[in-house]
Amino acid sequence: NAGVTQTPKFQVLKTGQSMTLQCAQDMNHEYMSWYRQDPGMGLRLIHYSVGAGITDQGEVPNGYNVSRSTTEDFPLRLLSAAPSQTSVYFCASKTRTSGTSYEQYFGPGTRLTVT
Amino acid sequence: GENVEQHPSTLSVQEGDSAVIKCTYSDSASNYFPWYKQELGKRPQLIIDIRSNVGEKKDQRIAVTLNKTAKHFSLHITETQPEDSAVYFCAASVIQGAQKLVFGQGTRLTINP
Repeated sequence: NAGVTQTPKFQVLKTGQSMTLQCAQDMNHEYMSWYRQDPGMGLRLIHYSVGAGITDQGEVPNGYNVSRSTTEDFPLRLLSAAPSQTSVYFCASKTRTSGTSYEQYFGPGTRLTVT
Repeated sequence: GENVEQHPSTLSVQEGDSAVIKCTYSDSASNYFPWYKQELGKRPQLIIDIRSNVGEKKDQRIAVTLNKTAKHFSLHITETQPEDSAVYFCAASVIQGAQKLVFGQGTRLTINP
């Protein structure tokens, strides 16, 4: 299994441009989330999904859109990039099945710079 | 909503000594408390977690303790090694559902040889 994958690894955008960060998982996990990590801070939840067709806002959703058309994919769209969105973005997934593990698995991250 | 505070922000210990990182949370509904280790440029990786029905959990050199009444939990690393150097994050959430983690600010741990 590849686990959670993210593309691209690095991206530079100009203010006002739009783009989509891709996230995919091959573990058949129902739950997927997007977090951003700013320097010197912990991760903050942007949006999350509990299954295909169902998404909801997290702590810092403004300026971002998500959709979940399949179990595997959970793209994050920046509508009009702003310098305040310069950050490292992590996608994560988790199984709904309870048991001995409640772990969220994180992808490798996308480092985004907005100039 | 939930708020998680983590201390200290930096911690330097001699190899072989113990390290302790502390977190407090605000929402009494939180019942799941994971700890993540993040090496430079890498993804966060779960090292240990604890549920609110347990007061302590150990895994080799690492342990986590939870005090529900005081709403704080701590990570203990014993016999520290150079490879323990990293940034450590605590988090809190409700374990049911999508597990919307709220993270602390992180602790940069440096192990001095």
